[in-house]
Amino acid sequence: EVQLVESGGGSVQPGGSLKLSCVASGFSFSDYWMTWVRQIPGKGLEWVANLNQDESQKDYVDSVKGRFTISRDNAKNSVFLQMHNLRAEDTAVYYCVRDVLFGRFDPWGQGTLVTVSS
Amino acid sequence: DIVMTQTPLSLSVTPGQPASISCKSSESLLHTDGKTYLHWYLQRPGQPPQLLIYEVSSRFSGVPDRFNGSGSGTDFTLRISRVEAEDFGVYYCMQGVHLKTFGQGTRVEI
Repeated sequence: EVQLVESGGGSVQPGGSLKLSCVASGFSFSDYWMTWVRQIPGKGLEWVANLNQDESQKDYVDSVKGRFTISRDNAKNSVFLQMHNLRAEDTAVYYCVRDVLFGRFDPWGQGTLVTVSS
Repeated sequence: DIVMTQTPLSLSVTPGQPASISCKSSESLLHTDGKTYLHWYLQRPGQPPQLLIYEVSSRFSGVPDRFNGSGSGTDFTLRISRVEAEDFGVYYCMQGVHLKTFGQGTRVEI
């Protein structure tokens, strides 16, 4: 079964840091681009960041540039999202997603909730 | 950045009746490889989104044939021929040509 499992979410104060992890199984992880998408509770979806198979290309939505870093470890079938200088507006459920081809996202993980609050 | 605009934002439908959602992009989604990277997702309450339609009109594995996608360039439509109970939720279009952008979502409810 193709599966993605996120971890690392939690509560953090504004200005704090958090690192999300996502472990993949059931497919050849190193063959795919990987992506993080977030969703403020009760709101819509926002693409956050993606990276290619060998980390030579990384892209970010403008609102997280300079604060978030996406990375991967192909040996451990894992993708990460390091988040620094967190803001209240970063509060969201963060989904790890496999990008099959130009935004064909499947599967999605179950999501991990990040709450930024004092 | 490419902006995706969905209409309507909310849709009330009687089971068994058709439904249609429009998605317009601020730029053409035709890639230089000749494909158009416009996809549709459904998010049911309490669940992560799931892929329904990719590249405008291709149904993903297991998606019933009552779901049909169409369009080209900047104008796209998702049609459900006869809405069933399991179809209720929020539908998102998304472009994958330049970075990624989702539409605002269309809530389909009874």
